[in-house]
Amino acid sequence: KAGVTQTPRYLIKTRGQQVTLSCSPISGHRSVSWYQQTPGQGLQFLFEYFSETQRNKGNFPGRFSGRQFSNSRSEMNVSTLELGDSALYLCASSLVSGQALYFGNGTRLTVT
Amino acid sequence: QQQVKQSPQSLIVQKGGISIINCAYENTAFDYFPWYQQFPGKGPALLIAIRPDVSEKKEGRFTISFNKSAKQFSLHIMDSQPGDSATYFCAASTLAGGTSYGKLTFGQGTILTVHP
Repeated sequence: KAGVTQTPRYLIKTRGQQVTLSCSPISGHRSVSWYQQTPGQGLQFLFEYFSETQRNKGNFPGRFSGRQFSNSRSEMNVSTLELGDSALYLCASSLVSGQALYFGNGTRLTVT
Repeated sequence: QQQVKQSPQSLIVQKGGISIINCAYENTAFDYFPWYQQFPGKGPALLIAIRPDVSEKKEGRFTISFNKSAKQFSLHIMDSQPGDSATYFCAASTLAGGTSYGKLTFGQGTILTVHP
């Protein structure tokens, strides 16, 4: 069974640009959640989707948005990038919301 | 109230020793407590998880101890091996609904080094 796949692995963007990250969950998993990992703030919850509906959202500005498609694949978008958005963005999928999350290896975003 | 506090920040253990990492939470609505292991360049991987209705759960060399009244839980790694050297995260969420539903709140992480 394939794991959670995140693309791309690495991204370098300039301040003010926007970026879209992609996540393919484990087959059969309908819950997809996104986390931001930084050395200073650790792992922070961004949002969770289940069957195309956003069920929960973390304390991030509106520049961070996401969506889930009917095949459970998910995308995360960050607009008007800031230097502080540089982080590892992790996607996780699960059968049940918030339980037994399987993480991908992340997308490393660098904003210059 | 949403925080999960993890200690120590770093831990050095000799091969064969016991590694112990502790976490404390404040939100009494939390009812699911997993531990994750993360190697450099990889995403966190689920190690073991516990619900509040049991005080201990063991899987191989990994044991979670849970103290509901103290709002604390800990991970014990028995017979620690150099291959266990990684960053460990505790987390908590609510499976029954509410503002923490579907959302893992993570501790700050513990860097474990096991010397051969």
